[in-house]
Amino acid sequence: EVQLVESGGGLVQPGGSLRLSCVVSGFRLSDNWMSWVRQAPDKRLEWVANIKQDGSEKYYADSVRGRFTISRDNGKNSLYLQMNSLRAEDTAVYYCARDAFVGCSDYWGQGTLISVSS
Amino acid sequence: QSALTQPASMSGSPGQSITISCTGTSSDVGGYNYVSWYQQHPGKAPKLIIYEVSNRPSGVPDRFSGSKSGNTASLTISGLHAEDEADYYCSSYTPNTALDRVFGGGTKLTVL
Repeated sequence: EVQLVESGGGLVQPGGSLRLSCVVSGFRLSDNWMSWVRQAPDKRLEWVANIKQDGSEKYYADSVRGRFTISRDNGKNSLYLQMNSLRAEDTAVYYCARDAFVGCSDYWGQGTLISVSS
Repeated sequence: QSALTQPASMSGSPGQSITISCTGTSSDVGGYNYVSWYQQHPGKAPKLIIYEVSNRPSGVPDRFSGSKSGNTASLTISGLHAEDEADYYCSSYTPNTALDRVFGGGTKLTVL
């Protein structure tokens, strides 16, 4: 059974940092591109970043480029998102997701909530 | 403002069919056959139900179908079930290194 489990969410002040982790099981992480997608409180979905199987290519949404860094450790079956200089508008549930098709994710984690507030 | 436009809400009775539209541009929906649809129940993660315009992942009932015409994609649910009440999101690949995919704003489907 494919499973993705995120952790690392919480309340952080504006300008602060957080590191999200996603541990996967039920498939070989090295076989897939992986993405982070977030869902704002108004339920709008936004793709955040993705990373190639070997980590050699990474892409980011304009809204997070330069502040967020996606990475992976295939040996640990883990995906990461380092988030710096957090802003109120980064408040959302963050999902890690397996990219199986072009521009599309077939499995998602349960999500972890990030709240940015003073 | 979402990149793709969906109706905010729709409703139907059990057994009826409904079609949810998703309008984009020639740079996303109209330009590529990489439209996908997700179903999301309250408190749950999105679930992929259609990929590449009209393909269903294993386990998704065949009463869910997808299509596309020009810059508008559509999700049809034939024979509504009570458990189909959920939010539905469309998404399209867009070849922009700053934006792998764009999403619609979501449609809240109520089964009366």
